[in-house]
Amino acid sequence: DTEVTQTPKHLVMGMTNKKSLKCEQHMGHRAMYWYKQKAKKPPELMFVYSYEKLSINESVPSRFSPECPNSSLLNLHLHALQPEDSALYLCASSQVDRGNTEAFFGQGTRLTVV
Amino acid sequence: GESVGLHLPTLSVQEGDNSIINCAYSNSASDYFIWYKQESGKGPQFIIDIRSNMDKRQGQRVTVLLNKTVKHLSLQIAATQPGDSAVYFCAEAKNFNKFYFGSGTKLNVKP
Repeated sequence: DTEVTQTPKHLVMGMTNKKSLKCEQHMGHRAMYWYKQKAKKPPELMFVYSYEKLSINESVPSRFSPECPNSSLLNLHLHALQPEDSALYLCASSQVDRGNTEAFFGQGTRLTVV
Repeated sequence: GESVGLHLPTLSVQEGDNSIINCAYSNSASDYFIWYKQESGKGPQFIIDIRSNMDKRQGQRVTVLLNKTVKHLSLQIAATQPGDSAVYFCAEAKNFNKFYFGSGTKLNVKP
């Protein structure tokens, strides 16, 4: 199984809503990532978890709150978002080994903030 | 907000021809350089990587070239097929688990 599964595929939320994006992998990967991608732009790194601990936060606003409850799951909690946060949110996973750069991406959650 | 009318650089090739996609990078401290392919409606898919102390690596139908002198990376695809149509991103790996994507190029393969 080389899949990273993200739910939901599409999400529309108001600026006062609280919602969560979910990501799951069963490849035994101990590094998991959140990326944000705007149309026709490259993915931008948001967070990296290594062995279930947050290792990198790329100065992401606190209205985005990541969580890694176990080695297979990664969540992104959303609260008080702005319309400019509308984007494709991608989850990825990889092994932590030095020299292993192959990250597996999910299909993403298309988020629209209204 | 988003720019209206923003366009990705596009490379159009005839099916069966070879394709060369280029990327310039800025950070010489990267450990690896990577190419990803992203098809419409999907997440990026790993194609091939190259360690920073190498200058060439070959895979199945693909070759990556790294020129550290001019900070340039290229992806060569042999005998391009319609299924190769996608957006291609170069990426840098720093400290092995920080992946940063560069700008993309849209490859359009004409049958």
